[in-house]
Amino acid sequence: DIQMTQSPSSLSASVGDRVTITCQASRDVNKYLNWYQQKPGKAPKVLIYDASNLETGVPSRFSGSGSGTDFILTISSLQPEDIATYYCQQYDTLPVTFGGGTKVEIK
Amino acid sequence: QVQLQESGPGLVRPSETLFLTCTVSGGSVSSAYWNWMRQSPGKGLEWIGYIYYSSTTSFNPSLKSRLTMSVDTSKNQFSLRLSSVTAADTAVYYCARARGLFGVDYFDYWGQGILVTVSS
Repeated sequence: DIQMTQSPSSLSASVGDRVTITCQASRDVNKYLNWYQQKPGKAPKVLIYDASNLETGVPSRFSGSGSGTDFILTISSLQPEDIATYYCQQYDTLPVTFGGGTKVEIK
Repeated sequence: QVQLQESGPGLVRPSETLFLTCTVSGGSVSSAYWNWMRQSPGKGLEWIGYIYYSSTTSFNPSLKSRLTMSVDTSKNQFSLRLSSVTAADTAVYYCARARGLFGVDYFDYWGQGILVTVSS
């Protein structure tokens, strides 16, 4: 299975800060990498698909980049409603696998 | 707006079979690939598998020997059966729709999740 490693596992930032989360795949996954946001007690919600495509309805402060093994999710200006855990997910090779998550908190 | 809703028992005895159903509303089960995921504190998010309306399936190899999926187009539902459960199968189970051509491209609609506990 392809292992997905996220860093950091948690972070604390101020409202308005630029936040970056990284995801590294154990093998090349091309561009087949998605990002999800999960709030407590809720299902994950897709933010970015195919590494850099913003899902319809998702605020433009979210962006994704990368290809191959290294990917980044950026929140350009952190908002209070962005408090959540973020996961990356690859679908280049079955089984689909997810990263361990990055918990984002407000400082 | 597509909506998914999981249903099934919240408690399953060890060695028995877990059976969950996902009911789709606002869309047709005949139009996409339908996936199951689960989430536990110990293992994080785990993909279980998918089914297409034609009954084509793909399963996570770690669960394949215990897993069955089915689809009922007349009820707009799809289901999961996981046999010989143990405490390690305790998790929140989610059903989700996949967008794209590969059955797992990305998951755009999810159910709210159902907590299944395996315990005697």
